[in-house]
Amino acid sequence: KQEVTQIPAALSVPEGENLVLNCSFTDSAIYNLQWFRQDPGKGLTSLLLIQSSQREQTSGRLNASLDKSSGRSTLYIAASQPGDSATYLCAVRNGDAGGTSYGKLTFGQGTILTVHP
Amino acid sequence: NAGVTQTPKFRVLKTGQSMTLLCAQDMNHEYMYWYRQDPGMGLRLIHYSVGEGTTAKGEVPDGYNVSRLKKQNFLLGLESAAPSQTSVYFCASSYSKGREERREQYFGPGTRLTVT
Repeated sequence: KQEVTQIPAALSVPEGENLVLNCSFTDSAIYNLQWFRQDPGKGLTSLLLIQSSQREQTSGRLNASLDKSSGRSTLYIAASQPGDSATYLCAVRNGDAGGTSYGKLTFGQGTILTVHP
Repeated sequence: NAGVTQTPKFRVLKTGQSMTLLCAQDMNHEYMYWYRQDPGMGLRLIHYSVGEGTTAKGEVPDGYNVSRLKKQNFLLGLESAAPSQTSVYFCASSYSKGREERREQYFGPGTRLTVT
């Protein structure tokens, strides 16, 4: 059974710092990994999707890397801003036992990020 | 293009009452999912559907039923609500075509349900 772990559970940094969020997963047979952002009381916004054949993806100040063989992904946020404060979730998409994937995601429990001015 | 929408946004039920949560997507996605989010448990899959007229159980299906009569809609039903079903419910949808690796999942804004 796939298990996803995110470290740290919470992170507080001053504005302007570069930071790294970590995600690890136990079963390396994944199709892709998604990083999401969730604001308090809101839904999930997809930030980046990394395909299993890719090593990294970039979007603006965000860079996500994937090392499938070691079961790890990192989300790098450059020059953090107070508006980046949110919970960040990673989720992996596995195939079913029969080799067919219906896209079910397994989520980590998230990292709560606070960026203070 | 509204993406994935959910109704209602909030609801309070008494134990034993029933209700239906509605999810709608306008992206012509084949796959749709219902998750629940609980503190300390993360998001867990309740039921999913791979197309109109088909549904399947996820990780935590007990106490819920679903229906997918139309491709764009996925309904989640609670026949007899229990306090353990107090949670935030999220619907999601995904493409079914193209390479598996590229299929991204899109989420609705959630429904906050309290059962007293």
